[in-house]
Amino acid sequence: GENVEQHPSTLSVQEGDSAVIKCTYSDSASNYFPWYKQELGKRPQLIIDIRSNVGEKKDQRIAVTLNKTAKHFSLHITETQPEDSAVYFCAATTFWGYSTLTFGKGTMLLVSP
Amino acid sequence: NAGVTQTPKFRVLKTGQSMTLLCAQDMNHEYMYWYRQDPGMGLRLIHYSVGEGTTAKGEVPDGYNVSRLKKQNFLLGLESAAPSQTSVYFCASSTGTGIRNEQYFGPGTRLTVT
Repeated sequence: GENVEQHPSTLSVQEGDSAVIKCTYSDSASNYFPWYKQELGKRPQLIIDIRSNVGEKKDQRIAVTLNKTAKHFSLHITETQPEDSAVYFCAATTFWGYSTLTFGKGTMLLVSP
Repeated sequence: NAGVTQTPKFRVLKTGQSMTLLCAQDMNHEYMYWYRQDPGMGLRLIHYSVGEGTTAKGEVPDGYNVSRLKKQNFLLGLESAAPSQTSVYFCASSTGTGIRNEQYFGPGTRLTVT
């Protein structure tokens, strides 16, 4: 089955800095890669996703890049703000069949004012 | 439109007791999932369902049972609770696979087994 590794487990940055979270996956059949954000005490929510036919996707201050050859994908947050502080999970799955998401172990991002 | 709801929000059990967690969704989603979240372990899939009357095992199914008698409800049962089942449990639902696989999570149930 799929295995998703996520690094780092914790990340501390100053407000305004950029943050990068990296994930690798093992199953070359995976072709859909979402990122979820979980604020303290809240439920995870989808913030951005990317499909295997796309190398990069942006949504305002967040972007995700994908390298299918190397089987890794990354989340980039620019101009970080205190409200970006949360746990971020990457995940991988395939489009087809009764596919389920395999999540990474999460990255706790702390943005200090 | 309440989305995904979970009952109860908190529960404390003694070892060996049983309980059922209820998940309900009002989005007419076909797929439903139960996850457990432990510190440093991410979200691990316990069981899932691809439609009414169906269930399947996920990554960590041992010690749990599930039922999906109605499309909108997904029940997670612990027959004989163990301290290792102390965790936060999240239910989620989605319309399907691929690009329709955005999962909508419930608020979570914090379970402590003593």
